[in-house]
Amino acid sequence: GQNIDQPTEMTATEGAIVQINCTYQTSGFNGLFWYQQHAGEAPTFLSYNVLDGLEEKGRFSSFLSRSKGYSYLLLKELQMKDSASYLCAALDSNYQLIWGAGTKLIIKP
Amino acid sequence: NAGVMQNPRHLVRRRGQEARLRCSPMKGHSHVYWYRQLPEEGLKFMVYLQKENIIDESGMPKERFSAEFPKEGPSILRIQQVVRGDSAAYFCASSPQQGKYQETQYFGPGTRLLVL
Repeated sequence: GQNIDQPTEMTATEGAIVQINCTYQTSGFNGLFWYQQHAGEAPTFLSYNVLDGLEEKGRFSSFLSRSKGYSYLLLKELQMKDSASYLCAALDSNYQLIWGAGTKLIIKP
Repeated sequence: NAGVMQNPRHLVRRRGQEARLRCSPMKGHSHVYWYRQLPEEGLKFMVYLQKENIIDESGMPKERFSAEFPKEGPSILRIQQVVRGDSAAYFCASSPQQGKYQETQYFGPGTRLLVL
């Protein structure tokens, strides 16, 4: 079966760094997405990785290891507004997105 | 360029009534996806449509739920004889086309359905 695993909830301190992990098992693989979703709002696109390695985009970076079926989202210099759920989704061989349940990130002052 | 539009944003129905949720994709997008999200849970895929075609409805309950994306007009997700368990946020997403490379899905603001 197809499966995405990510922690349910994480807590971090304002100004710190946090890494949100995601492991995936899919029928084929065409890339890994990260989305951010604030409570009561729609998910918004953060990043897409299809090649191994780290992609940096401002305070956010995303890493992929295809051989390990593993990705992480790294958030630096955390701000209170980063409190949200972070959704990991893998694109399978049929180009369908398989979604994780999301990681709720709580930022404390 | 307007984003994905959904209406209504909030919908209240009594048990047994029908709910109609509308989604207008971004301009130039011909692929529409519907998702359901229960409180504190992740997105659950329901159905994927192109104009006048249902491509994948593997996530759609067999009874009471239907979806369409006509040649003209928005995509419609229809829930007949709603029950309390249908209460959720329903998100629509669109993408330009499916191809070899990544196609980011852009999400609408969602419709929050409450069944009394």
